Amino acid sequence: DQQVKQNSPSLSVQEGRISILNCDYTNSMFDYFLWYKKYPAEGPTFLISISSIKDKNEDGRFTVFLNKSAKHLSLHIVPSQPGDSAVYFCAVSAGGTSYGKLTFGQGTILTVHP
Amino acid sequence: DAGVTQSPTHLIKTRGQHVTLRCSPISGHKSVSWYQQVLGQGPQFIFQYYEKEERGRGNFPDRFSARQFPNYSSELNVNALLLGDSALYLCASSDGTANQPQHFGDGTRLSIL
Repeated sequence: DQQVKQNSPSLSVQEGRISILNCDYTNSMFDYFLWYKKYPAEGPTFLISISSIKDKNEDGRFTVFLNKSAKHLSLHIVPSQPGDSAVYFCAVSAGGTSYGKLTFGQGTILTVHP
Repeated sequence: DAGVTQSPTHLIKTRGQHVTLRCSPISGHKSVSWYQQVLGQGPQFIFQYYEKEERGRGNFPDRFSARQFPNYSSELNVNALLLGDSALYLCASSDGTANQPQHFGDGTRLSIL
């Protein structure tokens, strides 16, 4: 039973436009949420995170939104650049001694066209 | 500063053999976690170690084991390799406190023939 789902396997966006990547989770015990970017032949690179006490966190072109009632997480990239083309994973963790365990979604392939 | 380093980069083994994968965390990080990623899926949690003690274990068979050394580096051992163990094995480190991101190495690509 998948606890974290990224329902869009791929997303194609024009350079300069907004990219919106979505993620849904099932367990209300999750309280820390992250986005990672992965290029081929490299490990995941941390992008941005948000704790459950917030509903929005920004870092430059990247903004993460958290809707706890809907158990939904999204990543906005504005403006999108060709170098953003990669696989994006959302990841979640629970509190207590489980914080070291990340549960990942299946990933969304983002392609940004020049 | 150096990031998380993993060795070897690639490894080819045959069924039934065992393998040891190594990970050096970011300097100052005391927590190391191991993940397995198969093609088309997100990474799956295998183990977490903090201060040389196992803090968490994922849904993997006992053929998988790990340890952490006094310098916080870590090894992942897999015995009796199966074809299905072919995957990218990722190591991640963090400072060990809650709500801090894990930072990943580039992984070890393990192929079982």
